[in-house]
Amino acid sequence: GIQVEQSPPDLILQEGANSTLRCNFSDSVNNLQWFHQNPWGQLINLFYIPSGTKQNGRLSATTVATERYSLLYISSSQTTDSGVYFCAVGGGGGADGLTFGKGTHLIIQP
Amino acid sequence: GAVVSQHPSWVICKSGTSVKIECRSLDFQATTMFWYRQFPKQSLMLMATSNEGSKATYEQGVEKDKFLINHASLTLSTLTVTSAHPEDSSFYICSGRGRVSQHFGDGTRLSIL
Repeated sequence: GIQVEQSPPDLILQEGANSTLRCNFSDSVNNLQWFHQNPWGQLINLFYIPSGTKQNGRLSATTVATERYSLLYISSSQTTDSGVYFCAVGGGGGADGLTFGKGTHLIIQP
Repeated sequence: GAVVSQHPSWVICKSGTSVKIECRSLDFQATTMFWYRQFPKQSLMLMATSNEGSKATYEQGVEKDKFLINHASLTLSTLTVTSAHPEDSSFYICSGRGRVSQHFGDGTRLSIL
C-alpha cells in the first residue's frame, strides 16, 4: 500500500515562530488532507489539498502532486497550535480510506 | 457543514462486554463511512470501510467477527466491539465521506478493565 512519511517527528518552537511540516507519499493520490489532533483527540480538518496551494489565516499548505510531497506552513505560532499534525492520503476521490503518516508533534512554548 | 457526531465519547467496561459506538453524519448523507483505530502515541489506522446497505470491507488483520459494522442508513454507521478484552482498549474514530474529503467524528475512548 501507499507509504506516508512526515517530518520532523517532533518540533519545539517559541511562540511567534514560523514552521514548515513536510509530508512525502509514495504513490499518486486523489485525496490529501492535513489534520491537527488536539490533546483531547479531536481531529481538526485543516486542508483538503490533493494539489495546489491553499491558505487559511496563519496556516497555508502546498501539495506538489508530481513530486509526491505536501508542506504545511504555520506562521506566527501560538500555544494553541500545539498538538499532533497528521498528513493523510487516499485514492479514488475520497472513496478509499485514508492512510495516515505518523504525525509531527508540535510544542509551542510561551 | 459536514458534521459527524460520534457517541459515546468515553466508555469504561469490564472484559467480556460488548460495546456499540455510533457514528452519524448530521448535515450530509454519507454513503461511505470509515472506522479507524488509534493506540496511544501512534497514528490512526484504517480498520474498515462501511457502505450503506452492504457488508463492510475490513483491512487485513482486523477481525470482522470481533468488530461488527452496520451501516443501515445514509446517516448512521455503528461499530460493535464484541466480547471486548483489555487489548481492544483504544481510541476509535469514524469518518464520513463528503463530496470530496472525509469528515471525522470526535472519537470514542474505549477502556476495557
